[in-house]
Amino acid sequence: DGGITQSPKYLFRKEGQNVTLSCEQNLNHDAMYWYRQDPGQGLRLIYYSQIVNDFQKGDIAEGYSVSREKKESFPLTVTSAQKNPTAFYLCASSIFTYSSYNSPLHFGNGTRLTVT
Amino acid sequence: SQQGEEDPQALSIQEGENATMNCSYKTSINNLQWYRQNSGRGLVHLILIRSNEREKHSGRLRVTLDTSKKSSSLLITASRAADTASYFCATDGNDYKLSFGAGTTVTVRA
Repeated sequence: DGGITQSPKYLFRKEGQNVTLSCEQNLNHDAMYWYRQDPGQGLRLIYYSQIVNDFQKGDIAEGYSVSREKKESFPLTVTSAQKNPTAFYLCASSIFTYSSYNSPLHFGNGTRLTVT
Repeated sequence: SQQGEEDPQALSIQEGENATMNCSYKTSINNLQWYRQNSGRGLVHLILIRSNEREKHSGRLRVTLDTSKKSSSLLITASRAADTASYFCATDGNDYKLSFGAGTTVTVRA
């Protein structure tokens, strides 16, 4: 079955450490996205990529970095510069990139990151 | 980017009843999408409605869109325990990026 796999499900880190969240998809989608979800708030866009070797900042990119070396993979690094990294991180993909005919997003099941 | 706002924040209904939630947004859109999220899981796409459409159905789901009022509603008919989840609307803006609201949490009581 096609889908998006995020790993690990839970991640614990000490303050000051960088951490990388994995996202892999086998849906052959061109576009991939990273969102952050905090309790009682909507999803906020961190980074998105429309094609391999290209990505753009979303609304809250500060303190995060990404890479898109393969179509299937879009890892997110939470750096020590991110002030409040504890959150639920969701990766998504879609057939089309942002356009007037937005295609639905397919989401992974998230990684809950706790930084102490 | 703009953000849709869902109303109410939370909703508790009896199994078999209908559930209605609303989404309001500020600027013109190309399309609006509804998603469901079960606790601790990712979002699942439910329905996409384009700006030139007024109503769409999918099984027990009915979505309406009123672009003059900049609002949409999601109706779940004959609710089941499995419908317990958070529901989000997502809207695009001039940059076509999707923005999500804070969601409506629906609890279906047996």
